[in-house]
Amino acid sequence: NAGVTQTPKFQVLKTGQSMTLQCAQDMNHEYMSWYRQDPGMGLRLIHYSVGAGITDQGEVPNGYNVSRSTTEDFPLRLLSAAPSQTSVYFCASSYSSSNTEAFFGQGTRLTVV
Amino acid sequence: AQSVTQPDIHITVSEGASLELRCNYSYGATPYLFWYVQSPGQGLQLLLKYFSGDTLVQGIKGFEAEFKRSQSSFNLRKPSVHWSDAAEYFCAVVNKLVFGAGTILRVKS
Repeated sequence: NAGVTQTPKFQVLKTGQSMTLQCAQDMNHEYMSWYRQDPGMGLRLIHYSVGAGITDQGEVPNGYNVSRSTTEDFPLRLLSAAPSQTSVYFCASSYSSSNTEAFFGQGTRLTVV
Repeated sequence: AQSVTQPDIHITVSEGASLELRCNYSYGATPYLFWYVQSPGQGLQLLLKYFSGDTLVQGIKGFEAEFKRSQSSFNLRKPSVHWSDAAEYFCAVVNKLVFGAGTILRVKS
């Protein structure tokens, strides 16, 4: 089983560029989410989805868009990258949003210059 | 709103010594609680989880945690730390998996 797959692992962007971070899971999980990890701040929820066609904002959604057209995929889009979006991004999936274990991808290290 | 506080940003222990990492949560209902570990440059791995029942839960790698409702705490413990335990540890509460800021554990030989 592949679990949760994130691509790319590393990315450098120039300010103002756009890009999409990919996330795919093969566990038929309904719940998927995106986090960003910054030193001393833990993981903060950006956006989440409780199923195909349903997304919602988390704690730090500004500057990011998501969509969920299939159960398997949950891409995160940066429309106009800013240096403040330099971070490590993690995608996670779980059977539900509550009492189940979340599985994490290996992360994407993004630098915006 | 739910929240998690990990009061210790860094902890250093000697190899073989016991360990306790603190976690306090705020949640309006019965919480589902998790501890995750992150080794440098890696993703997150689940150590243990509490859903209900016995308040002392056992996890992988010899870790355990105790849920104390009266103190809103879910502290992680290990009786004897190994050098390979050096990592960052995160406590989390659901719904929607809210994380604490993490505790970085350093192990000195």
